[in-house]
Amino acid sequence: QLQLEESGPGLVKPSETLSLTCAVSGGSISSTYYHWGWIRQPPGKGLEWIGTIYWSGSTYYNPSLKSRVTISGDTPKNQFSLRLNSVTAADTAVYYCATYYGSGSAFEYWGQGTLVTVSS
Amino acid sequence: DVVMTQSPLSLPVTLGQPASISCRSSQSLVYGDGNTYLTWFQQRPGQSPRRLIYKVSNRDSGVPDRFSGSGSGTDFTLKISRVEAEDVGVYYCMQGTQWPLTFGGGTKVEIK
Repeated sequence: QLQLEESGPGLVKPSETLSLTCAVSGGSISSTYYHWGWIRQPPGKGLEWIGTIYWSGSTYYNPSLKSRVTISGDTPKNQFSLRLNSVTAADTAVYYCATYYGSGSAFEYWGQGTLVTVSS
Repeated sequence: DVVMTQSPLSLPVTLGQPASISCRSSQSLVYGDGNTYLTWFQQRPGQSPRRLIYKVSNRDSGVPDRFSGSGSGTDFTLKISRVEAEDVGVYYCMQGTQWPLTFGGGTKVEIK
């Protein structure tokens, strides 16, 4: 069974870059037809998709964040990462990594989430 | 973007009674391959989301059969046949047919 675990700083200053990593166990990020995504949830609010990276390396981003987001994969370390530039308080959220197989973006396995607070 | 609208926002339910959550999309969720990529997630308090239903009506392994999904096109429903205490939480629908992926605003199920 796939397991995902997010890691990274819990506090980021405004205008700086948020960087998170999702370590994957129980499977490989390069396995055919597996897709890996980032979703966030501001405190007390709903879920927002940030972006997805395919097993092939193709990436798809939410247009509302596209200019600030980069998702990349590291096959040797079996992990994938999120970078979000120029953060503001509005980027404070629990960040989840998740994965699914095949079509339809139905995220089946999720990490436990990590709270990132943007504050000086 | 496809807008996903859930109702109600809050759903107080008596234990053992049924519950129904509606999810409507601003565009048809039928993909070119003929599949409809509508997913339901459950988020219990303090936990990560958990996938319950994918492609409208396919229940995940380990999900109790009191949960069922139905619908087509732009109109979808998640039903709980008899609500149990462990069903308390927020339920989200999500469309995976079109980029960007979008979630409904969530429905909070609580016990009366």
